[in-house]
Amino acid sequence: NAGVTQTPKFQVLKTGQSMTLQCAQDMNHNSMYWYRQDPGMGLRLIYYSASEGTTDKGEVPNGYNVSRSTTEDFPLRLLSAAPSQTSVYFCASSGTGSRAFFGQGTRLTVV
Amino acid sequence: KNEVEQSPQNLTAQEGEFITINCSYSVGISALHWLQQHPGGGIVSLFMLSSGKKKHGRLIATINIQEKHSSLHITASHPRDSAVYICAVRRSQGNLIFGKGTKLSVKP
Repeated sequence: NAGVTQTPKFQVLKTGQSMTLQCAQDMNHNSMYWYRQDPGMGLRLIYYSASEGTTDKGEVPNGYNVSRSTTEDFPLRLLSAAPSQTSVYFCASSGTGSRAFFGQGTRLTVV
Repeated sequence: KNEVEQSPQNLTAQEGEFITINCSYSVGISALHWLQQHPGGGIVSLFMLSSGKKKHGRLIATINIQEKHSSLHITASHPRDSAVYICAVRRSQGNLIFGKGTKLSVKP
């Protein structure tokens, strides 16, 4: 099993550009998450989805959008990139009673 | 106050030492996760606990639901255990909240 597949691994954007970070899991997990990790801040929740068709805002949702049209996929869209969105992004999934599984991370730089 | 607090923030140990990392939380949870993040960034889930104790190799995780506290123990520590260890709690709504992590360095 691939687990959680997150792409791309690295990305450089210009301010104002939009892009989508892809996340897919093949474990039939209900819950999926997007986090960003910044030095000294730990992992902060951007959005999460408890099941297909539902999404909820986390701690830092501004400037991002998500959708959960299938159980497998949970893409994160940056609407208009800003330098403050320079960060490392992690997608994760978990099922009831199971450990959490993480993607490899995306290192995003906005210039 | 953070909902998930870890201690210590940084920990340096000599190879072979017994290590304990603590996690306290202030919210109702359905489960608690211990994660490991190595330099280079990948995050690996070590344990998921809802009660009692779990053991995997040299790693032991315990949780006390009444006291809202969990510990991660590493026996016979080794330099390859050097990493950031993160505690995360799963709320009843399904979202995960993370502690800020404990940076462990094990010296040979």
